[in-house]
Amino acid sequence: SQQGEEDPQALSIQEGENATMNCSYKTSINNLQWYRQNSGRGLVHLILIRSNEREKHSGRLRVTLDTSKKSSSLLITASRAADTASYFCATAVVDSSYKLIFGSGTRLLVRP
Amino acid sequence: GAGVSQSPSNKVTEKGKDVELRCDPISGHTALYWYRQSLGQGLEFLIYFQGNSAPDKSGLPSDRFSAERTGGSVSTLTIQRTQQEDSAVYLCASSLGALNTEAFFGQGTRLTVV
Repeated sequence: SQQGEEDPQALSIQEGENATMNCSYKTSINNLQWYRQNSGRGLVHLILIRSNEREKHSGRLRVTLDTSKKSSSLLITASRAADTASYFCATAVVDSSYKLIFGSGTRLLVRP
Repeated sequence: GAGVSQSPSNKVTEKGKDVELRCDPISGHTALYWYRQSLGQGLEFLIYFQGNSAPDKSGLPSDRFSAERTGGSVSTLTIQRTQQEDSAVYLCASSLGALNTEAFFGQGTRLTVV
């Protein structure tokens, strides 16, 4: 079963606007990661936030984590047409294996 | 190699045939993952290898699916007696296998069962 569920499933914004995507998960985690996928092929790692962290920044990306609500958000500021892609959250479940379980993804369209 | 390599990039097979998909992880990565992604959907976990531990096969959808990882490096995902519902992109990823490390993905194999 899916560990993470992203919301919204699809998002369309104008270039220059901010995009916010949310991820909810079910079980305790070691960390939560966000990935980007272009054209339905390989995924690229964007940012990792540990379970004891609440906020992390990387360039135009800002990630928050609320372990009490089992949720995370990804904010992309000043979006560009090149940010158009699918974005997935992935959780490293607390067990001995550290395997990554992915959510269903948010499809982001940034209109020029 | 420089990245995770998967072969073939595309595979068209007839229903009922067996297929093998190959993944070459990044050298030194002890963890290897297989995922399946149907068109427009999320990533479905299939199987996870970590070092010399027994693989986590909890995501394999049926006994027609199996995977091996030889010598802690190359992995092969085998689908026997393929069905049309097996059509998807199969993605492989590898990581250092330690806590708080990222996964690196290959470009996937697009499998089409006709």
